[in-house]
Amino acid sequence: NAGVTQTPKFQVLKTGQSMTLQCAQDMNHEYMSWYRQDPGMGLRLIHYSVGAGITDQGEVPNGYNVSRSTTEDFPLRLLSAAPSQTSVYFCASSPAGRSDTQYFGPGTRLTVL
Amino acid sequence: GENVEQHPSTLSVQEGDSAVIKCTYSDSASNYFPWYKQELGKGPQLIIDIRSNVGEKKDQRIAVTLNKTAKHFSLHITETQPEDSAVYFCAASWGKLQFGAGTQVVVTP
Repeated sequence: NAGVTQTPKFQVLKTGQSMTLQCAQDMNHEYMSWYRQDPGMGLRLIHYSVGAGITDQGEVPNGYNVSRSTTEDFPLRLLSAAPSQTSVYFCASSPAGRSDTQYFGPGTRLTVL
Repeated sequence: GENVEQHPSTLSVQEGDSAVIKCTYSDSASNYFPWYKQELGKGPQLIIDIRSNVGEKKDQRIAVTLNKTAKHFSLHITETQPEDSAVYFCAASWGKLQFGAGTQVVVTP
């Protein structure tokens, strides 16, 4: 198993541009989530999904959209990037009934100029 | 909601010494307390966890203790090695994980 994969690894955007961060998992996990990591602030939950077709907001959802059309994929969309969205983004997945046991991807480092 | 505080933010130890990281949580409903290790350029990885019905758990050189009354839990690393250098995150969960801010551990030879 590849586990949780994320693409791209690095990305630079200009303010106002849009992009999608990709996340996929091959462990048949029901629960998937997106976090952002900023210095001194730990990991903060952006959005999560408890299964295909079901998504919900986390602690810091503003400026981000998600969808979950398949069990495997959970893309994160930035519609109009802002410098405040400069961060490292991690996707994570969890098996059914164990949503608090997270398996993290390698991360995407995003810079918004 | 849950609030998790983690101390210290940085920790420098000599190889072979012990390292201790402490976390406090606010929500008494929290019942699961994992610890994650994040190496440079990688995602966090679960290294040990404890549930609220257990006071202590060990796995080789790492151990976690939980004091439910005081609402704090700690990670103990004994006989530290250079490969223990990383950022460590604690978390508390009552269904949703709330992470601490992280501790940068540096083990010097």
